Amino acid sequence: KNQVEQSPQSLIILEGKNCTLQCNYTVSPFSNLRWYKQDTGRGPVSLTIMTFSENTKSNGRYTATLDADTKQSSLHITASQLSDSASYICVVSAGSNYQLIWGAGTKLIIKP
Amino acid sequence: DADVTQTPRNRITKTGKRIMLECSQTKGHDRMYWYRQDPGLGLRLIYYSFDVKDINKGEISDGYSVSRQAQAKFSLSLESAIPNQTALYFCATINQGFTEAFFGQGTRLTVV
Repeated sequence: KNQVEQSPQSLIILEGKNCTLQCNYTVSPFSNLRWYKQDTGRGPVSLTIMTFSENTKSNGRYTATLDADTKQSSLHITASQLSDSASYICVVSAGSNYQLIWGAGTKLIIKP
Repeated sequence: DADVTQTPRNRITKTGKRIMLECSQTKGHDRMYWYRQDPGLGLRLIYYSFDVKDINKGEISDGYSVSRQAQAKFSLSLESAIPNQTALYFCATINQGFTEAFFGQGTRLTVV
């Protein structure tokens, strides 16, 4: 069964600190993986997209990594800001029809 | 104009009433999706459409129906709303390679 699991479920860190969010997937055949940021009550906004051959991709203070062998991805946030408080969702696209498999998300809270 | 527009943004309705949620997009993508989000859960797919003549059920289609009136418009209907359909609903449009994905701002539906 295609699945995407994220950890931790929630995370609280102080402003200015770094953090790393994890995504493990069992999706076949893998097409690509995307990280989304979702503010409370708003639609998800894409942060990065990675294909099978990409190991790292950055978007400002966000850096995503992908290990296709272990089927793991991580999202690293550097020098966190209060505005980073949100849910971060990992989505894996499967097959030629690009079926989307959604993780439940990690709720990140940045405290001043 | 927003890439994906959902109306209404908020709605409270009574059990047994019929309600329609509307979605329009300006991206010119063929693929449109309706998702439901409940607290602590990932987005779950209700219906999706790959073009005007192609409608497909997602994992939780029971109690819902859709209409793809045009490439840019995809509406979701609850024929007889029930309280456990209270949720946040998102419409999305995604291109064929999943390299572009845009979400609406969501419709918060409450069934009392």
